[in-house]
Amino acid sequence: KQEVTQIPAALSVPEGENLVLNCSFTDSAIYNLQWFRQDPGKGLTSLLLIQSSQREQTSGRLNASLDKSSGRSTLYIAASQPGDSATYLCAVLMDSSYKLIFGSGTRLLVRP
Amino acid sequence: DAMVIQNPRYQVTQFGKPVTLSCSQTLNHNVMYWYQQKSSQAPKLLFHYYDKDFNNEADTPDNFQSRRPNTSFCFLDIRSPGLGDAAMYLCATSTDLSSGRGGNEQFFGPGTRLTVL
Repeated sequence: KQEVTQIPAALSVPEGENLVLNCSFTDSAIYNLQWFRQDPGKGLTSLLLIQSSQREQTSGRLNASLDKSSGRSTLYIAASQPGDSATYLCAVLMDSSYKLIFGSGTRLLVRP
Repeated sequence: DAMVIQNPRYQVTQFGKPVTLSCSQTLNHNVMYWYQQKSSQAPKLLFHYYDKDFNNEADTPDNFQSRRPNTSFCFLDIRSPGLGDAAMYLCATSTDLSSGRGGNEQFFGPGTRLTVL
């Protein structure tokens, strides 16, 4: 059974700092991995999607990497801003499945 | 802009009173999903539609039903809401795995927050 873990559960950093959020999964037979952002009381915004054959994806100040063999992904946020404060969720899609399996999220606070 | 729309954004119902949540999409995706997210927890898939084919998760209670009358719309029916059904309900869409487009990236709506009194 696939399990997705995110560490740390919460993170508080000063504005301008570069930071890394971690995601690990137990079963490497994934189709893709997706990083989401969720603001309080809101839906999920897709940030980056990495196919199982890819190693990384970049969008603006965000860079996500995937090491399928070791069951790890990281989300790198450069030059953090207070507007980046949110909960970040990673989720994996298993081969031949439509079910996204989510981690519990990392709650990020960027202090001005 | 192409998007996933959920109505209403907030729904209050009484214990045992049936309620319907709606979702529509302009992305023309053939797969639609309903997730339940309780406070401070990860979203949990209830079921999904592949075109008109309904796929229920094994642990989704019978109290939850769904309808998809056409490609654009999908409804979540809760037949007899209990206090434990209070949650955020998220609708999502994607292309299918064989389409080769978008790699099955799932796009979410803003959610409907359900309160059960």
